[in-house]
Amino acid sequence: KAGVTQTPRYLIKTRGQQVTLSCSPISGHRSVSWYQQTPGQGLQFLFEYFSETQRNKGNFPGRFSGRQFSNSRSEMNVSTLELGDSALYLCASSPGTSGGEQFFGPGTRLTVL
Amino acid sequence: LAKTTQPISMDSYEGQEVNITCSHNNIATNDYITWYQQFPSQGPRFIIQGYKTKVTNEVASLFIPADRKSSTLSLPRVSLSDTAVYYCLVGDKDGTNAGKSTFGDGTTLTVKP
Repeated sequence: KAGVTQTPRYLIKTRGQQVTLSCSPISGHRSVSWYQQTPGQGLQFLFEYFSETQRNKGNFPGRFSGRQFSNSRSEMNVSTLELGDSALYLCASSPGTSGGEQFFGPGTRLTVL
Repeated sequence: LAKTTQPISMDSYEGQEVNITCSHNNIATNDYITWYQQFPSQGPRFIIQGYKTKVTNEVASLFIPADRKSSTLSLPRVSLSDTAVYYCLVGDKDGTNAGKSTFGDGTTLTVKP
């Protein structure tokens, strides 16, 4: 069974731009969660999508948004990029119902200049 | 919100048993305790999950006392490849917590030859 894939793996943007990151979950998994990881703040939860609906949301500004498609693939978007948005963005999939751990992808390394 | 507290770092030698304790004083009744391992530039990888008493799998054991306010991850006979950051996560069984998933700062384990 293929693991969680994320594209692109690396991205460089400048302040003010926007970016879209993509995540393909494990086949059959309906839940996709997004996390931001920085040296200073650690792993922070952004949001979770389940069956195309945002089910949970962390404490991030509205510049961070996401969506999930009918095939469970998910995208997250960050608008008006700031230097502090430089981070490793991780996507995790799980069955979404009771039971089962989260499976993480390799992440997308975003650098904002 | 169940905040977790772990030691920032630990050192060990090959072949030793390592115990990493996580404090989660305000764990909720429905919360599970999940441990993840993360290597540099990779997403976290599930190690073990438990609710109470003791859970054991092929790589680790998890000890949870009756009050569930702490938990201890036990890694038997560590090797150099066990050098990584270990995260304790308290939340729903699939690793989330109604949008409040908090991984904490993690424990950096360094295994020496």
